[in-house]
Amino acid sequence: DIQMTQSPSTLSASVGDRVTITCRASQSISSWLAWYQQKPGKAPKLLIYKASTLQSGVPSRFSGSGSGTEFTLTISGLQPDDFATYYCQQCSSFWTFGQGTKVEIK
Amino acid sequence: EVQLVESGGGLVQPGGSLRLSCAASGFIFSSYEMNWVRQAPGKGLEWVSYIDGSGSTMYYADSVRARFTISRDNAKNSLYLQMNSLRAEDTAVYFCARLYEQVMGVWGKGTTVTVSS
Repeated sequence: DIQMTQSPSTLSASVGDRVTITCRASQSISSWLAWYQQKPGKAPKLLIYKASTLQSGVPSRFSGSGSGTEFTLTISGLQPDDFATYYCQQCSSFWTFGQGTKVEIK
Repeated sequence: EVQLVESGGGLVQPGGSLRLSCAASGFIFSSYEMNWVRQAPGKGLEWVSYIDGSGSTMYYADSVRARFTISRDNAKNSLYLQMNSLRAEDTAVYFCARLYEQVMGVWGKGTTVTVSS
């Protein structure tokens, strides 16, 4: 099974900050990596797929990069609506999520 | 509008059974692979099961294999998850999600399953 490890688990930031979340796969997944945003009591929302492709309607301040086993999600200019939990997900072999990164207000 | 609506959750005793449903609308249901994903209270997301568009291929997470069965009725635009031999650790919000290019682009709001005596 492919394991996904996110870091950090929690991130404290301010509006306007540039934020980076890292996700590592236990084996190469090429670019089969997605990022989701989830707010309390809500369903996850797809942000990025194939490591760097922005889902339609998602603000351009979100970006993704990486391939193989190392991936990053960057939020350039954190907005109030961005405080949430973010999950990476590998879709190379079935589907596995990272444990999540909570972005909280500093 | 593309929409997924789950139902069927509730309180069940350990060892009991429950059948979840997911009603799809706003798209050609039979053209899409579907998944169930769950989230235990205060925990992360866990993929549970997959089914292809025709209902002929299914996959399961190790944690539910042999206890859960995924199915679909394309005539009714509905996805199902039959859950047997339920355990306390199956307590979670269960989401159905539409798959496209291997990612889950559309999600329902979820239905809550609580396994407790």
